[in-house]
Amino acid sequence: AQSVSQHNHHVILSEAASLELGCNYSYGGTVNLFWYVQYPGQHLQLLLKYFSGDPLVKGIKGFEAEFIKSKFSFNLRKPSVQWSDTAEYFCAVNSLTGTASKLTFGTGTRLQVTL
Amino acid sequence: ETGVTQSPTHLIKTRGQQVTLRCSSQSGHNTVSWYQQALGQGPQFIFQYYREEENGRGNFPPRFSGLQFPNYSSELNVNALELDDSALYLCASSLFGSREQFFGPGTRLTVL
Repeated sequence: AQSVSQHNHHVILSEAASLELGCNYSYGGTVNLFWYVQYPGQHLQLLLKYFSGDPLVKGIKGFEAEFIKSKFSFNLRKPSVQWSDTAEYFCAVNSLTGTASKLTFGTGTRLQVTL
Repeated sequence: ETGVTQSPTHLIKTRGQQVTLRCSSQSGHNTVSWYQQALGQGPQFIFQYYREEENGRGNFPPRFSGLQFPNYSSELNVNALELDDSALYLCASSLFGSREQFFGPGTRLTVL
């Protein structure tokens, strides 16, 4: 069965610090990976996705992620965080259940950026 | 382009009651998935509907059921509510077979 692990539950950074959030997955099929962000009081939004090709994926708002197949990892990075990046971040893997394409999420990482 | 909408925003029920949550899919999408997000957890897949039929289900009991209508909107019904059903319920729409899903704002259900 597929699973996603996010090891950092709560991260506190100062503005302009660099960010790396860990994500490891377990899935035997073709891997499709996602990072979603949930700002306070808002709905889940897609930050970036990896389907195939270049393992370094760039998303919105300056975020990027690197797919490392040998490590089953898809870590999220940002060189310099802003206060507005304070949010909950979820890593997810896509898989099939029957004919349904479903997402399996990690437990999330709460990022708090201080001024 | 209209995004995914859900109603109501918040709902309070008591144990044993039944609840219906509603979702309108994004324009052009024909598939709806429902997820439960408990406090401090990531969303968990409940089920998916396509062509008005359930075509995949997660690890949820039969008291969680759904409907999809010809206009692709959907309902999630939960019978015999339990305290542990308190959560944010998310609806996501997509095109059938697509790997990407678009989420609505969710309905916050509190069971007392």
